[in-house]
Amino acid sequence: QKEVEQDPGPLSVPEGAIVSLNCTYSNSAFQYFMWYRQYSRKGPELLMYTYSSGNKEDGRFTAQVDKSSKYISLFIRDSQPSDSATYLCAMSRNTGTASKLTFGTGTRLQVTL
Amino acid sequence: DTEVTQTPKHLVMGMTNKKSLKCEQHMGHRAMYWYKQKAKKPPELMFVYSYEKLSINESVPSRFSPECPNSSLLNLHLHALQPEDSALYLCASSAWTSGAGELFFGEGSRLTVL
Repeated sequence: QKEVEQDPGPLSVPEGAIVSLNCTYSNSAFQYFMWYRQYSRKGPELLMYTYSSGNKEDGRFTAQVDKSSKYISLFIRDSQPSDSATYLCAMSRNTGTASKLTFGTGTRLQVTL
Repeated sequence: DTEVTQTPKHLVMGMTNKKSLKCEQHMGHRAMYWYKQKAKKPPELMFVYSYEKLSINESVPSRFSPECPNSSLLNLHLHALQPEDSALYLCASSAWTSGAGELFFGEGSRLTVL
């Protein structure tokens, strides 16, 4: 079993839809949770960073973390064609040395006109 | 300004060549990373530098040689690579060296080994 599971998609939605992207994980030591957006042939761009359980909102994006269920989500409201990309969840724990991100496999999202 | 700059953006090299990838950040971050990413896969960690010292080497072959000349710069020296080493090489930095905190990635250097 992988430490982080993420549905690879592809996920296709019409413009204006609400998108829900999810990851589950098995290591209860993870404390820091991130969502990255990656356009084709570009580097990952940090969208959201959350620490421990709870919600965080930034514009059209909302990140949720439920540590009791080992489940994180990213919601995109009013989705736009420019949101078409691969979305990677990532998480890490406090090691005292350096951050080692564990990534999900990524979900490809296509927002159609 | 959260920016990590990588050069070159594209690199083509033969198996006997020696080349280098460069990364620069001016955010005052004390941890810098090299990742390798193959198509349709998530990034894989290669090396971590913390306060300019190598703190993690994920059993990377010696044909990849990292170097951190100062707190803003990170290099990856390449020698005698194989075609399977063709990938997107990503540099990242973070303010924290403890495992906390988010990583900021550069746009990557796309390497093709012939």
